[in-house]
Order: sequence, then structure tokens, then C-alpha cells
Amino acid sequence: LAKTTQPISMDSYEGQEVNITCSHNNIATNDYITWYQQFPSQGPRFIIQGYKTKVTNEVASLFIPADRKSSTLSLPRVSLSDTAVYYCLVGDQAGTALIFGKGTTLSVSS
Amino acid sequence: NAGVMQNPRHLVRRRGQEARLRCSPMKGHSHVYWYRQLPEEGLKFMVYLQKENIIDESGMPKERFSAEFPKEGPSILRIQQVVRGDSAAYFCASSPVGPDRPRYEQYFGPGTRLTVT
Repeated sequence: LAKTTQPISMDSYEGQEVNITCSHNNIATNDYITWYQQFPSQGPRFIIQGYKTKVTNEVASLFIPADRKSSTLSLPRVSLSDTAVYYCLVGDQAGTALIFGKGTTLSVSS
Repeated sequence: NAGVMQNPRHLVRRRGQEARLRCSPMKGHSHVYWYRQLPEEGLKFMVYLQKENIIDESGMPKERFSAEFPKEGPSILRIQQVVRGDSAAYFCASSPVGPDRPRYEQYFGPGTRLTVT
């Protein structure tokens, strides 16, 4: 599985857009890029997944450049409730273990 | 559709006792995964099971830990002779039938917080 690197922490204020970048230089051709969110004392929650270009859902957008060696999770207009740890994972299919790194701790202030 | 259910949510055991953690996957999911999260650390994979089969237990300690997913009933993670270092949050996740699905997506339960005194 490709190793991922993301910032340990980020701070933001309510209403701002937050972009969290993840590096995955050794991503394989079949790998998808997936982001999970974990609130304190809860299990991780799937946010978004993409293979290339841009993916958008009701929660976030995921931008993936052509070389796929990095990706950016974009959270529009964050609120206090977006304070959580965000994990970037890279893998190729279901039925395999998820390998979590330390993630990015996002703190949103008022 | 109920999500992944885990019980108990909190479990306190004295050193040397056994801990049994239960996980009921989402309806229609036959793949179950167990993860452990130590305080201030990320989640670590422990074991991956399908009904009646252990597929990958590479993350499970060789001693004292075992897991099963019987044909009927929930998946069970069993920790024998618990020690203080076993204190952690244990999360179960499930996914739909794969591995032909192209998605790297699992649904997590709320976790069981084990405290060993």
C-alpha cells in the first residue's frame, strides 16, 4: 500500500474553506484515494473517494492532479462541528485492511 | 438500515480477566474488520474476517487475542488474561461483499472502550 503524508494539524475559523493536502508519491495505478473523518470517541466515517481529477459530494471536494502523487481534501465553510481528525488513505479495493496514519487534526474556532 | 453495532460500549476488566467484544455488521455485509486505537494514536488493523473464516490476522498479537465470525451471530474479539496495555478503543468495521468492488470503503461502529485496571 502506498504511504501517505499529511500535516499533523491545522487550525481554521468558522466559515473558512479548509484544504488538507496528502502526499502519496508511490500510488499504484489501481489505487483509489479515500478520506475518513474521525470525531473524538467515535469510529472513523468515510467522507469521499476519488481516482483522478475532481470529486464532489455534499460534504467535501477531492482534487487529484494528473500525476496522482498528491490529493487535496477541501471542506467548504467549516463549522465548529468539523473539528476532527482527517485521514488520507490509498488502496485499490474493498476486502483489505485500511492502513491509517496519524491523520490531520483540524481545529475550528469561532 | 442500522449501522455497525458494537457492545458493550464500555468494558472494565481487572488484569488477568477475559474481555469479549461483540460486533454486528451492517445488514448485507459479510466482511468484518477489527481495529485498535491506543490513546493518542491512530487506528491499527488487527484482523479481517468473513463468515466462518479468518482472512487476514496479520495485525493481531499472537498470544491472548482471538477473533471469530460465526455463521450465525456477531463477530467476537476475545482477549484473554488482559493486561493494562490492552486498554484501548476497539473498533469494528464492515464492508459489502468484495473484493471485486473498486471502493476502499468501510463502515465503522462506535467502538468498545476497554479499560484494564
